[in-house]
Amino acid sequence: EVQLVQSGAEVKKPGESLKISCKGSGYSFTSYWIGWVRQMPGKGLEWMGIIYPGDSDTRYSPSFQGQVTISADKSISTAYLQWSSLKASDTAMYYCVRHKYYMDVWGKGTTVTVSS
Amino acid sequence: EIVLTQSPATLSLSPGERATLSCRASQSVSSYLAWYQQKPGQAPRLLIYDASNRATGIPARFSGSGSGTDFTLTISSLEPEDFAVYYCQQRSNWLFTFGPGTKVDIK
Repeated sequence: EVQLVQSGAEVKKPGESLKISCKGSGYSFTSYWIGWVRQMPGKGLEWMGIIYPGDSDTRYSPSFQGQVTISADKSISTAYLQWSSLKASDTAMYYCVRHKYYMDVWGKGTTVTVSS
Repeated sequence: EIVLTQSPATLSLSPGERATLSCRASQSVSSYLAWYQQKPGQAPRLLIYDASNRATGIPARFSGSGSGTDFTLTISSLEPEDFAVYYCQQRSNWLFTFGPGTKVDIK
């Protein structure tokens, strides 16, 4: 079964750093792009960026460029989304997705709460 | 940046009725248009890709049509489990965007 398993919920304070993960299984991890999608509470879906684990080619939405870093470790079939300094406005659900031009496999999501 | 608009914002229908959801792009996206369904507390699920191809396991009551700038998702006869939010999504170069969503709720 093809699946993406995301790390658990996080509660952080403003200014803290964070790295969440997404582990792929059931398919060739290095042959598909992995993307990240944000959903703020009660809002719609926002595409953040993608990485190709085979060669670490990474693309970002202009809205998220410089705000987050996407990386991957192909040896353990895991992609990451990280922040160096969280803001309250980063509070959201974050989904990792297997990415063609459409997104055919979704993780269950990681809830990130940033609050002082 | 290509902007997607979806209409209506909310569609109130009864089980068994036909649902017609619209997605319009600010410029042509060819057939690079996908549709997703999201139920409360769940991750979205891919329904349709390439404007008209059903994803694996998606029932035949879901169909997609259109090309260029105007697209439609049709649910031929609503089942209770179809009441959800539906998003369209496009690709343009290396920028991917979603529409704001259409909520299909029970009348």
